[in-house]
Amino acid sequence: SQTIHQWPATLVQPVGSPLSLECTVEGTSNPNLYWYRQAAGRGLQLLFYSVGIGQISSEVPQNLSASRPQDRQFILSSKKLLLSDSGFYLCAWRLYRSNYGYTFGSGTRLTVV
Amino acid sequence: AQSVAQPEDQVNVAEGNPLTVKCTYSVSGNPYLFWYVQYPNRGLQFLLKYITGDNLVKGSYGFEAEFNKSQTSFHLKKPSALVSDSALYFCAVRDMGRNQGGKLIFGQGTELSVKP
Repeated sequence: SQTIHQWPATLVQPVGSPLSLECTVEGTSNPNLYWYRQAAGRGLQLLFYSVGIGQISSEVPQNLSASRPQDRQFILSSKKLLLSDSGFYLCAWRLYRSNYGYTFGSGTRLTVV
Repeated sequence: AQSVAQPEDQVNVAEGNPLTVKCTYSVSGNPYLFWYVQYPNRGLQFLLKYITGDNLVKGSYGFEAEFNKSQTSFHLKKPSALVSDSALYFCAVRDMGRNQGGKLIFGQGTELSVKP
């Protein structure tokens, strides 16, 4: 069966420090991968999505970047964190060209101090 | 542009009563619609989806949703609410535009509170 792993679960980082959040999917091939941010416990903002290795689409210009070095690995990064980067980051995957919805990871709570 | 609206920030229901969480959508073409639930500090869990077929869709945990094309709505329902149903609920529509990666567009969420 397919599973999605996201880590770390919580992270406290100082302003100006770098960031690396990792997401991996098991049990499937060529998934579509997504990074969302949820601020203030409500709305979900799509940050990046990827339909294949090295293919990244950015939805919102900001202080973050994403990479997909392997088929089932999706990384969210920043060179210098801002206070406004605080939030709950969710990774999700979907089977390529399927009618199924997303499967979400358990999320990373990032607090920038 | 495709969008989803959840007009209620919060819905309060007594345990045992029926519940409805509202969702309306705006898409070009036939919509692919989804409902997700989120418990505190957790990822989103899939409840149900409408792609085509019967307008009444049954999902997990006794939830169901009714697709109404004329009213462009996809309301989530449950005949008898449980305290454990208290959570944040999201409606979503798939962006069917070309080269959009099948991304989902989410509503702002509705906080459901079920009191004993």
